[in-house]
Amino acid sequence: TQLLEQSPQFLSIQEGENLTVYCNSSSVFSSLQWYRQEPGEGPVLLVTVVTGGEVKKLKRLTFQFGDARKDSSLHITAAQPGDTGLYLCAGAGGTSYGKLTFGQGTILTVHP
Amino acid sequence: SAVISQKPSRDICQRGTSLTIQCQVDSQVTMMFWYRQQPGQSLTLIATANQGSEATYESGFVIDKFPISRPNLTFSTLTVSNMSPEDSSIYLCSVEETNYGYTFGSGTRLTVV
Repeated sequence: TQLLEQSPQFLSIQEGENLTVYCNSSSVFSSLQWYRQEPGEGPVLLVTVVTGGEVKKLKRLTFQFGDARKDSSLHITAAQPGDTGLYLCAGAGGTSYGKLTFGQGTILTVHP
Repeated sequence: SAVISQKPSRDICQRGTSLTIQCQVDSQVTMMFWYRQQPGQSLTLIATANQGSEATYESGFVIDKFPISRPNLTFSTLTVSNMSPEDSSIYLCSVEETNYGYTFGSGTRLTVV
């Protein structure tokens, strides 16, 4: 069974602060995806990282895939209240072909 | 990306009854996935549904409790049978799209009383 350890589980910060969410595994994934979910909605894909060492930027969000494709991080610069939500990492491939392995999720609250 | 219509969006059901959740996709997809999620928590895969074959269930989930239909490449249903309060959760369907990733329905929030 593949596992993705996501941390921290909760983050409560002030507007303008920076934050980083981590996902770590002992398994290798062919790709890793980050989702954001708001109450009453399904998860929405933010980014997919595929290549070891890859870095992708989406406005104030920076995503990194580890060189060994076992870990990933999401960094948010100058967080805003609109960033509030549940962030999920999910690994694809490896031994669970065709299925996603989800991390436990990070509930982010950004206070104005 | 694909657009998924999932319904109902929420329901309150009596214990012992069954609820069928529907997912309609605006394009043909090979695999559809059904997940369960407690509010604010991560997703747990229930089963994978391929058109023309029986669904594949994950450990802890059985066909008698969660029967799934996949009559064509754009539609699937999940039934939660003989419900108990422990089945109260959010149920989501998802599809995988080549070169994109996974798209999720908006979920069905089920409360069993």
